[in-house]
Amino acid sequence: GDSVTQTEGQVALSEEDFLTIHCNYSASGYPTLFWYVQYPGEGPQLLFRASRDKEKGSSRGFEATYDKGTTSFHLRKASVQESDSAVYYCALSDKAGANTGKLTFGHGTILRVHP
Amino acid sequence: DPKIIQKPKYLVAVTGSEKILICEQYLGHNAMYWYRQSAKKPLEFMFSYSYQKLMDNQTASSRFQPQSSKKNHLDLQITALKPDDSATYFCASSQVNTGQLYFGEGSKLTVL
Repeated sequence: GDSVTQTEGQVALSEEDFLTIHCNYSASGYPTLFWYVQYPGEGPQLLFRASRDKEKGSSRGFEATYDKGTTSFHLRKASVQESDSAVYYCALSDKAGANTGKLTFGHGTILRVHP
Repeated sequence: DPKIIQKPKYLVAVTGSEKILICEQYLGHNAMYWYRQSAKKPLEFMFSYSYQKLMDNQTASSRFQPQSSKKNHLDLQITALKPDDSATYFCASSQVNTGQLYFGEGSKLTVL
């Protein structure tokens, strides 16, 4: 079945540091890829998504590029802020899932940014 | 104001009892979903409904029964509760076939 692997379980950075969270996926066909962010006490909210090879998704300074060759969708931000502290989830939806709303999520990466 | 309302936010139940988790969405969406987030596990898809009809069910146990009385409601009834059912249950909604889900704040269930 489909799967999403996030390499980092936790990341601790200082403000203005560069962020990379690695996401690799395994799926048949051509899945749509997502990054979600979850703040304490809230549900996950969509950061952005990408549906085609080489497509770049971006929002609030975060970005990721769909790479079908390496089956990756790594999240990056050039300069993090304390307010970016949250849990970040990589997810995918295959063609069937796009019709049924089934997303497959990674385990999530806890980002802590210190002032 | 939250557009997806889940009630209750927290609940504690004893093993063997039954609980209903409430979800209402005011985003005008025509599809609703339930996801579960257990300790040390990723968010896990449970059910999806579109126009009040079941689209997909990935929950093996019949103890979990979604109930849709209105198009913007999708409640989740859980019977014969077990400690392993302890988790945060998230309701979500979207326009059907867009794949862009909006999540509620979750209902955290603890089964003793």
